[in-house]
Amino acid sequence: ETGVTQTPRHLVMGMTNKKSLKCEQHLGHNAMYWYKQSAKKPLELMFVYNFKEQTENNSVPSRFSPECPNSSHLFLHLHTLQPEDSALYLCASSQDQTRKETQYFGPGTRLLVL
Amino acid sequence: GQQLNQSPQSMFIQEGEDVSMNCTSSSIFNTWLWYKQDPGEGPVLLIALYKAGELTSNGRLTAQFGITRKDSFLNISASIPSDVGIYFCAGLETSGSRLTFGEGTQLTVNP
Repeated sequence: ETGVTQTPRHLVMGMTNKKSLKCEQHLGHNAMYWYKQSAKKPLELMFVYNFKEQTENNSVPSRFSPECPNSSHLFLHLHTLQPEDSALYLCASSQDQTRKETQYFGPGTRLLVL
Repeated sequence: GQQLNQSPQSMFIQEGEDVSMNCTSSSIFNTWLWYKQDPGEGPVLLIALYKAGELTSNGRLTAQFGITRKDSFLNISASIPSDVGIYFCAGLETSGSRLTFGEGTQLTVNP
């Protein structure tokens, strides 16, 4: 238990569906991150939020839409995804974005796009 | 962007054996990190290294920050079945702006 929870843990969706991934951290951190983890590939940073403001978007397609209503919650809204978007989506948090070396990861959401 | 070369990609060992894995980069990093990911879980930080030449232990795990600041090593001594998982290295650039991950080493320990 790292203090970062993610729901759902597994998700299967069609290419026309709309779904959302949720992340919540109970660590009092101010930075939150979304990563994509595909098999045999390094973790890919998608988005960074610091004190609720988006500070990084690493050329992520617009079919992924993040939302950070407060420092404890982070969402990833999914719309018209492609099969190649199937992956493990990991959320992480750190004290703030200058403390990237001490990120705590959630267990991830395993996403399958059909 | 930055790339880390992590090797080996996978290892199959017998319980009790020692394990070594490493990461190399073409660029200099200020910080090296080693994570372990158990099946169905997110990565968990094992060891953080902040100085060139630094050698740090965490139980049976020992990691070193290479002198050139372009590589790092992780050793696991006397492996046990619960060491099974994927081990990732990660490097933090000198600017501190980007954490780059290796591709991971899948470790299997046979009892």
